[in-house]
Amino acid sequence: NAGVTQTPKFRVLKTGQSMTLLCAQDMNHEYMYWYRQDPGMGLRLIHYSVGEGTTAKGEVPDGYNVSRLKKQNFLLGLESAAPSQTSVYFCASRLAGPRYEQYFGPGTRLTVT
Amino acid sequence: EDKVVQSPLSLVVHEGDTVTLNCSYEVTNFRSLLWYKQEKKAPTFLFMLTSSGIEKKSGRLSSILDKKELFSILNITATQTGDSAVYLCAVCPGSQGNLIFGKGTKLSVKP
Repeated sequence: NAGVTQTPKFRVLKTGQSMTLLCAQDMNHEYMYWYRQDPGMGLRLIHYSVGEGTTAKGEVPDGYNVSRLKKQNFLLGLESAAPSQTSVYFCASRLAGPRYEQYFGPGTRLTVT
Repeated sequence: EDKVVQSPLSLVVHEGDTVTLNCSYEVTNFRSLLWYKQEKKAPTFLFMLTSSGIEKKSGRLSSILDKKELFSILNITATQTGDSAVYLCAVCPGSQGNLIFGKGTKLSVKP
């Protein structure tokens, strides 16, 4: 099992450009999450999904959109990138039910200039 | 507002020392508390604690939860350089399983 994978690993964007980050998991997990991690801020939840076809906003959703068309994939989109979106982005997933541990992907380092 | 506070923010010890990392929280509808270890990349899961007073152990790492006083500690005995990492505490305050993370404790273990 590959677990949780993310593509790309690194990306540099110019202000105003758009991009999509892809998260894939092969563990048949129901729940999937997108976080951003900034120095001194910890991990903050952007959006999450409790199942195929569903999405919901987290703590810091502005400037991002998501889609969960297939159970194994969770996409994070930036329509018009801003320097404030420079961060490391992590995807995570977990099973449904009272086991709350989330399993994380390796991260995507995004720089917006 | 739900929050998780970890202390200290950073810690430098020598190999063989024992360390205690702290996590306090204020959340509504507490479900569980989780500890993660983050080295260069992704956080990796260590423990999940749901009940007070029951210690979880894995090798040299152990953790306990106090739901009355709203805190948890993570102990690492006989530290090794490979224990150098950021240790994250997270709390699950609801049935959706969303986690609220603290800012982490950066542990550096010197040879």
